[in-house]
Amino acid sequence: DGGITQSPKYLFRKEGQNVTLSCEQNLNHDAMYWYRQDPGQGLRLIYYSQIVNDFQKGDIAEGYSVSREKKESFPLTVTSAQKNPTAFYLCASGPPVGEQYFGPGTRLTVT
Amino acid sequence: SQQGEEDPQALSIQEGENATMNCSYKTSINNLQWYRQNSGRGLVHLILIRSNEREKHSGRLRVTLDTSKKSSSLLITASRAADTASYFCATDAIGGATNKLIFGTGTLLAVQP
Repeated sequence: DGGITQSPKYLFRKEGQNVTLSCEQNLNHDAMYWYRQDPGQGLRLIYYSQIVNDFQKGDIAEGYSVSREKKESFPLTVTSAQKNPTAFYLCASGPPVGEQYFGPGTRLTVT
Repeated sequence: SQQGEEDPQALSIQEGENATMNCSYKTSINNLQWYRQNSGRGLVHLILIRSNEREKHSGRLRVTLDTSKKSSSLLITASRAADTASYFCATDAIGGATNKLIFGTGTLLAVQP
């Protein structure tokens, strides 16, 4: 099966802890993206990577970090510096132009 | 900041009726895309329209694009209960990073059986 997977589906953390969200794709896409979605809102871009070992900040990168050591994987770390981390996180991958393919999302709750 | 705004924010119709959603954006674009999101799930791509196209069809979907007004509309004909979802437009800005999409705020469509 080709696709993009995210794990876990639900994640609960205490305030002050870092947490890493997994994103894997086997679509052979060079580009991968992380978005944040708050209730009733659209998607906001956190980080994106157009090629292995390279990534750029999106519109709301503060408090987040990423790595892109393999083409298939683009993990996102939500650090304790992120002031309001509770949200729905979506990972996507895609070709240089055209549609993006989304994973099922991870709902993070920080208390 | 978000590039697009969808209108209306929410829409409720009966099964069989048509649903029209509008999207406005701010900067010149290469293409505009529409996505659907079922509650608590990832987004699914519906259709892409290029900046030099004015109208595109895919099954029960019809998309129009007016670059002079920086707006697009998505029409779903003969709606079904399964069409209940949020719908988002997304644009990529000319001169921006390759395929860096900016999403609108979404329209929540409820189709009553």
